Amino acid sequence: DAKTTQPPSMDCAEGRAANLPCNHSTISGNEYVYWYRQIHSQGPQYIIHGLKNNETNEMASLIITEDRKSSTLILPHATLRDTAVYYCIAARGTASKLTFGTGTRLQVTL
Amino acid sequence: DGGITQSPKYLFRKEGQNVTLSCEQNLNHDAMYWYRQDPGQGLRLIYYSQIVNDFQKGDIAEGYSVSREKKESFPLTVTSAQKNPTAFYLCASSIAGGQGNTEAFFGQGTRLTVV
Repeated sequence: DAKTTQPPSMDCAEGRAANLPCNHSTISGNEYVYWYRQIHSQGPQYIIHGLKNNETNEMASLIITEDRKSSTLILPHATLRDTAVYYCIAARGTASKLTFGTGTRLQVTL
Repeated sequence: DGGITQSPKYLFRKEGQNVTLSCEQNLNHDAMYWYRQDPGQGLRLIYYSQIVNDFQKGDIAEGYSVSREKKESFPLTVTSAQKNPTAFYLCASSIAGGQGNTEAFFGQGTRLTVV
């Protein structure tokens, strides 16, 4: 699986959009971009994934650049409950081991 | 309700003892995984299994063992050979095969403390 690079930490004011970047410059054509988050002392939670097209669900939006070398996870209206570590993973669609890095620690503040 | 269950949530053991962590899922998933997480760190893969009676080593398998006798269960044994076993252990499962659908479901973890 391709290596991903994320900033170690970010802050966001409550009610504002949180934009979390991820670099995956060596991603291969059959690798998807997945996002998970981990709230303190809990198991990670799946957020969203995509291959080439932008994706949106009830939790977030995923914007993937045309060359697929980077992506951005957008939480449109961050709340205090969105404070967590966010992990970006590049993985093949078939079942493969998931490689989690250290992620981005997002702190949402009042 | 479908889900993945780890037990116990907290576990204390004396140094030198083997200990087995339980992971059960009723999601009918073929693939199951064990991860270890140390404070302030990301998740590191210990073992994974894509089908019953088969499993592969992850990045940090030394000192650990697993079995996959049933689709629903993937227990992890932390042996006395593991030099630094105190950590947060996470189990996950996902659908095997297919395209674009390796969304993994995680348990709530077991915090193991060896004294």
